[in-house]
Parts: sequence; C-alpha cells; structure tokens
Amino acid sequence: DAKTTQPPSMDCAEGRAANLPCNHSTISGNEYVYWYRQIHSQGPQYIIHGLKNNETNEMASLIITEDRKSSTLILPHATLRDTAVYYCIVRVVYYGQNFVFGPGTRLSVLP
Amino acid sequence: SQTIHQWPATLVQPVGSPLSLECTVEGTSNPNLYWYRQAAGRGLQLLFYSVGIGQISSEVPQNLSASRPQDRQFILSSKKLLLSDSGFYLCAWTPTDSNQPQHFGDGTRLSIL
Repeated sequence: DAKTTQPPSMDCAEGRAANLPCNHSTISGNEYVYWYRQIHSQGPQYIIHGLKNNETNEMASLIITEDRKSSTLILPHATLRDTAVYYCIVRVVYYGQNFVFGPGTRLSVLP
Repeated sequence: SQTIHQWPATLVQPVGSPLSLECTVEGTSNPNLYWYRQAAGRGLQLLFYSVGIGQISSEVPQNLSASRPQDRQFILSSKKLLLSDSGFYLCAWTPTDSNQPQHFGDGTRLSIL
C-alpha cells in the first residue's frame, strides 16, 4: 500500500501556480519524498525529491513541513502541458529501492 | 548520460501466446531494474525488481516471469498470455545504493485478444 495520501483531482488556471498537496504522516526519518508525473500513455517523469529541506529545480519547488508529515509540490506557472497525473511517493527501502505508486492527483490545467 | 530503452511500444497478442518484452539501460553499471504494470486509469503495480544479474524478486504472484541475463538488460516474459495480462508495462532503473530517483522507459502497451 502507498504511504501517501493525495487528492484525486485538482484544477488550475493556466499561468497560475499549481499547489499539489501530499500527506505522509507515517514517514520515517531516512525516507525521502519523491514527485513524479505521468502524461497519458507515457512513462512517469521524475520531477523533484527531498528529505527535509525545501527544494527547487527548473520544473518545480518542493515544500516539506517541519514535521515532515506533509509536502506540497508547486508548479509556479502552470501551462496546459502540465496537465497530468502527479504522484507523491515516500521511498520504501526493501531489498532494492522500491517506489510504491498510489493513484496520484489528476491535475487539469484550464485555459 | 543514462538512457533506458523499452520495446516494442505497442503489442497485440492472442490469448495463449508467449510474450517477451525487453528493457535495456545505457550509461550506467549495476543498476537496480524494475518492471511495473499499469491497468487503464490505475496506478503502477510493481511486478519484479532486480539488484543484479540473475537476481529477480517477484512482488505479486502472476502469469509472468522476469530475467536479467546481462547487467543492463531486463526481460519480462510469459509462456501463455491471459486476457488479464493486458496493460501498460513500464521498465525503470535506479542507481545502486542511493536515494537517487527512479527513471522510467516509455512503456509497452500490451493488448490481449
């Protein structure tokens, strides 16, 4: 089972910031938070990941709360091409480095 | 830079026929390799993962098998396909022993008739 909870869907106006929340209340101290997105009929695309500090790259920003029980992915200026399913994942270390994907959030960017 | 190749992109097979999907990674050595399946409108289900040549772990019982004959090659197979094997199959890799993200191939859409 996924260790994260995300809203099933969200809408965002084109050009505005998209803020996608994720709850991971049972996260342990050495588990990272990863974000991916999947556009229809394509493989998931890595966006960003972090441990406890906020992170930013060319695609997005990741804000992790101080208690690490939740995080927010921010797309600063959403475009129509950002319409996708967004997955928040807490990495589960088993024998390998297994990533458990839940149902994610379907983000629709509206013109 | 590292790249992952997966083929074919689409495949239509009759029930009872065999299956072989191939995945290769370039630009890295000793990667961890993964096979996922995604049913229509659903999340990803991990099927197999491998931490080295000949080392395969299965996450769910099923009609499929996986093999890793070479360091950067991962193969998904079936002797007799079932209707329920239809779906979108994704291969992925991560570096060994790190918190680096997982990177996915473009997937194979498998339809069983």
